[in-house]
Amino acid sequence: DTGVSQDPRHKITKRGQNVTFRCDPISEHNRLYWYRQTLGQGPEFLTYFQNEAQLEKSRLLSDRFSAERPKGSFSTLEIQRTEQGDSAMYLCASSPRTGKETQYFGPGTRLLVL
Amino acid sequence: GIQVEQSPPDLILQEGANSTLRCNFSDSVNNLQWFHQNPWGQLINLFYIPSGTKQNGRLSATTVATERYSLLYISSSQTTDSGVYFCAVPTNFGNEKLTFGTGTRLTIIP
Repeated sequence: DTGVSQDPRHKITKRGQNVTFRCDPISEHNRLYWYRQTLGQGPEFLTYFQNEAQLEKSRLLSDRFSAERPKGSFSTLEIQRTEQGDSAMYLCASSPRTGKETQYFGPGTRLLVL
Repeated sequence: GIQVEQSPPDLILQEGANSTLRCNFSDSVNNLQWFHQNPWGQLINLFYIPSGTKQNGRLSATTVATERYSLLYISSSQTTDSGVYFCAVPTNFGNEKLTFGTGTRLTIIP
């Protein structure tokens, strides 16, 4: 069990550029979650998947954001036309089966938009 | 959605001291988790504790679901305990997305 991994760990980009983050959940976890954390705040829910199906999206997830989990394994989160307000830590978590168990978090991707 | 408040917001202690962190939530929950976020940003699971009491080494947690609060106890604090402690509960009963509390920043001084 290698834990949840995320790539890249850090990303600096210029406003208007597109960025894509990857999350690899713990193997055999069918639930995968994305959260966003800004400085001094707790993480906020963005979206989650059961296998390849995206079950819920937060209102925080504007139309510039898209998430996929094409084969029910890894997931990608893409931000188009980045804005300075997108600067945050993007956290991925996974949990097994029903989703009522513990969510295990990855190390996060820290995004800075200049 | 559910409201989650933690207290105190900041806590500075000498190494070896004990501490109690509190998490209050505004509605019934079937899931409560405590996390420690280290200085590098990694969220580390401490407890999954929807009710009752659990212990893990120097840490223990108690959730009184009927009174809508949970407590995290840290005994004999070490500098590695420094960081931010979050509790998190489902946004709605039975839901899976978590709402995190406001956090308690703990600083342990050698």
